[in-house]
Amino acid sequence: AQSVTQLGSHVSVSEGALVLLRCNYSSSVPPYLFWYVQYPNQGLQLLLKYTSAATLVKGINGFEAEFKKSETSFHLTKPSAHMSDAAEYFCAVSENSGYSTLTFGKGTMLLVSP
Amino acid sequence: DAGVTQSPTHLIKTRGQHVTLRCSPISGHKSVSWYQQVLGQGPQFIFQYYEKEERGRGNFPDRFSARQFPNYSSELNVNALLLGDSALYLCASSLNAAGVTYEQYFGPGTRLTVT
Repeated sequence: AQSVTQLGSHVSVSEGALVLLRCNYSSSVPPYLFWYVQYPNQGLQLLLKYTSAATLVKGINGFEAEFKKSETSFHLTKPSAHMSDAAEYFCAVSENSGYSTLTFGKGTMLLVSP
Repeated sequence: DAGVTQSPTHLIKTRGQHVTLRCSPISGHKSVSWYQQVLGQGPQFIFQYYEKEERGRGNFPDRFSARQFPNYSSELNVNALLLGDSALYLCASSLNAAGVTYEQYFGPGTRLTVT
């Protein structure tokens, strides 16, 4: 069985500060890992994905994540936060065994202050 | 190209009633998945369909059912609604093929409120 743990239900940063959202996963097979963002009253938008190629993955809007197998982690970072980054972020895992259903974490709300 | 579309946007039902939610995938995508997102939680997997066959089912009661049509659109049906069924229902489509993992693209969701 696979699972995802996101540390911190809320993270607050100032505009221009580093963003770090934590995600740890559990999977019995080599995982595929994803970060999605959800703005209020909207669906999920894919930020980036890890599919066993490069361990440092770059996504949209300046976000990136690093896959660390030894730590079973896939933390999301952005060097400088913008007000428009305020949203809820979900980490998800999928087993590379076909038909790729996603198991999501509980989400982290990112708050950005001026 | 149009993204994943879902209808209706919002829905209010009474306990015990039945509801049908609809989803149209991105053109060319043959797989549709349904997720339930309760307020304050991450989405939970309900069903996945590929080429009109059920390929996966999450831990949901038999009151939940779904189907996929020849044009790859899909319906999610929920019978005997309970207050706890109030949630955002998300549909996602992907290219999926057996043994290959593709990213899923989500629709805007249907907000179901059960009173």
